[in-house]
Amino acid sequence: QQPVQSPQAVILREGEDAVINCSSSKALYSVHWYRQKHGEAPVFLMILLKGGEQKGHEKISASFNEKKQQSSLYLTASQLSYSGTYFCGTDTGGGNKLTFGTGTQLKVEL
Amino acid sequence: EAGVAQSPRYKIIEKRQSVAFWCNPISGHATLYWYQQILGQGPKLLIQFQNNGVVDDSQLPKDRFSAERLKGVDSTLKIQPAKLEDSAVYLCASSLDVVAGAYEQYFGPGTRLTVT
Repeated sequence: QQPVQSPQAVILREGEDAVINCSSSKALYSVHWYRQKHGEAPVFLMILLKGGEQKGHEKISASFNEKKQQSSLYLTASQLSYSGTYFCGTDTGGGNKLTFGTGTQLKVEL
Repeated sequence: EAGVAQSPRYKIIEKRQSVAFWCNPISGHATLYWYQQILGQGPKLLIQFQNNGVVDDSQLPKDRFSAERLKGVDSTLKIQPAKLEDSAVYLCASSLDVVAGAYEQYFGPGTRLTVT
């Protein structure tokens, strides 16, 4: 089942912070976060694994609440380059088979 | 390090025709994925390979879609015959080795298919 992302869209001024949430109805092995710009491929940002391990870009932070089956992506001091659609992908069965959410459109303005 | 390569980048066909997409993963990556992304939606996993074996193809419409990864390196995805609802971007991704715990997926630029 598809994870639910919120908000659906957000507009920020450069330098502002944002939080994007991802919620699953099933227990999670891992949560993956990607950013996709229009007409481009999704770019890997972060992976959060059951048990607490995280791998990702230094400037990106995220949390994973296994009990609540939720993850949040924290974007701080936003830059224009942060604009795009953010997707979470959830693995509920192991084996790295991801189901992606509907996406959160983020726009950063001057 | 070269990224995931895909070709063609764009393809327009009429319904009931056949089409094939090619993917070359990052060198040394054992796990390969094909996704379908319909406009405005997140990618949907069609098939996952580990080396040249299929790990999961539960969401692949097998009456019209087929995929292979014969030598455990590059892969092809075929649609025959195409339907209007197959219009989408087909993304290929690879991971170093899921079995070894290298889970990050790296995506190629995709093939945009339009079925008329």
